[in-house]
Amino acid sequence: DQQVKQNSPSLSVQEGRISILNCDYTNSMFDYFLWYKKYPAEGPTFLISISSIKDKNEDGRFTVFLNKSAKHLSLHIVPSQPGDSAVYFCAAPVASGGSNYKLTFGKGTLLTVNP
Amino acid sequence: SQTIHQWPATLVQPVGSPLSLECTVEGTSNPNLYWYRQAAGRGLQLLFYSVGIGQISSEVPQNLSASRPQDRQFILSSKKLLLSDSGFYLCAWVPRDFYEQYFGPGTRLTVT
Repeated sequence: DQQVKQNSPSLSVQEGRISILNCDYTNSMFDYFLWYKKYPAEGPTFLISISSIKDKNEDGRFTVFLNKSAKHLSLHIVPSQPGDSAVYFCAAPVASGGSNYKLTFGKGTLLTVNP
Repeated sequence: SQTIHQWPATLVQPVGSPLSLECTVEGTSNPNLYWYRQAAGRGLQLLFYSVGIGQISSEVPQNLSASRPQDRQFILSSKKLLLSDSGFYLCAWVPRDFYEQYFGPGTRLTVT
């Protein structure tokens, strides 16, 4: 049962333009979200996160927007660069007992930025 | 600073052979540890996690097992590999009471 969904398996954009990656979730109890970036044959790296008390978090070229009523978040990359080409995963923490958490991930979106 | 290591980086094993993948974390203590698998063209599947020495939780019943013999060591094992065990195996750690997990470089396993 996928609690975090990334419905677009791939996205292609031109260098310098905006990339928008989308993520939907089903559990209204989620209060924190994370984005990870993954290059082939490497481990994912943490990119940016957002708490449900905010609707926007910005870090350089990366901005995450959260729409709680729609259970939707999006990652904006402006301007997009060829080095941003990677798979992007959205994730949310799920309690796993005590104060411990595990992450539930979406299936990822492959972003290709064309020069 | 904290670092996470995985070895081997790549592995080719025949069906029916045993498996042992190792993950170690440096620069922290008492982390939560996780094993994930990414099959070809698929997302990240959580296999096991551990909140302490000897404490293992399994997410998906399968041909694999995990152990945590030391605080910063996490091992993924199998007695007999199946073709379906092929994939990219990732170890991750997180400090207690935090959400952001930090991943190792991964092990590419090919079962032939």
